[in-house]
Amino acid sequence: GAGVSQSPRYKVAKRGQDVALRCDPISGHVSLFWYQQALGQGPEFLTYFQNEAQLDKSGLPSDRFFAERPEGSVSTLKIQRTQQEDSAVYLCASSLERGQLQYFGPGTRLTVL
Amino acid sequence: AQRVTQPEKLLSVFKGAPVELKCNYSYSGSPELFWYVQYSRQRLQLLLRHISRESIKGFTADLNKGETSFHLKKPFAQEEDSAMYYCALLDNYGQNFVFGPGTRLSVLP
Repeated sequence: GAGVSQSPRYKVAKRGQDVALRCDPISGHVSLFWYQQALGQGPEFLTYFQNEAQLDKSGLPSDRFFAERPEGSVSTLKIQRTQQEDSAVYLCASSLERGQLQYFGPGTRLTVL
Repeated sequence: AQRVTQPEKLLSVFKGAPVELKCNYSYSGSPELFWYVQYSRQRLQLLLRHISRESIKGFTADLNKGETSFHLKKPFAQEEDSAMYYCALLDNYGQNFVFGPGTRLSVLP
């Protein structure tokens, strides 16, 4: 596929469970971004990778959120001890390099019960 | 602080009527402005960016630095234009987007 893919598309978790969300960026894209989109809101920046380096994690809401991109391609966003306020759509985007057009994935809708 | 506002949560117009979706921003430097669109059950996709100064699907947007606005306009709305529209800015460092809350455009037959 030519676009950004994310899995799972939907995830339901009980409060307190850990979850892992996966993002497959467009092949060759150096930059990768994670956004959180709460219901009725626009996407909000979480974190940014350039290859395997996490250059900005200023948007992560708490230390329960952790992201990695160990080989500079696939990225995983992990949320530990999920809370109800973590319910949102998590969007991944990639771009050829910083400042270039970002292409978005379909998102993962996380519901925490 | 960087901020993007879209005052209308919902905008309804009749087919063939002009449409304007408002966007204002606050940023100390010279940001790059974008409009993204999300059709029903589809992913977020770029509609247009101010530096390219092009018209996409009949939509145009002009950056007004004096008013810090980047309103999206179309002279004759079509039913297929119904979607969520997000205004976004890219900061000087070209890293992450700052998105507005979005406006849902509903074009009525």
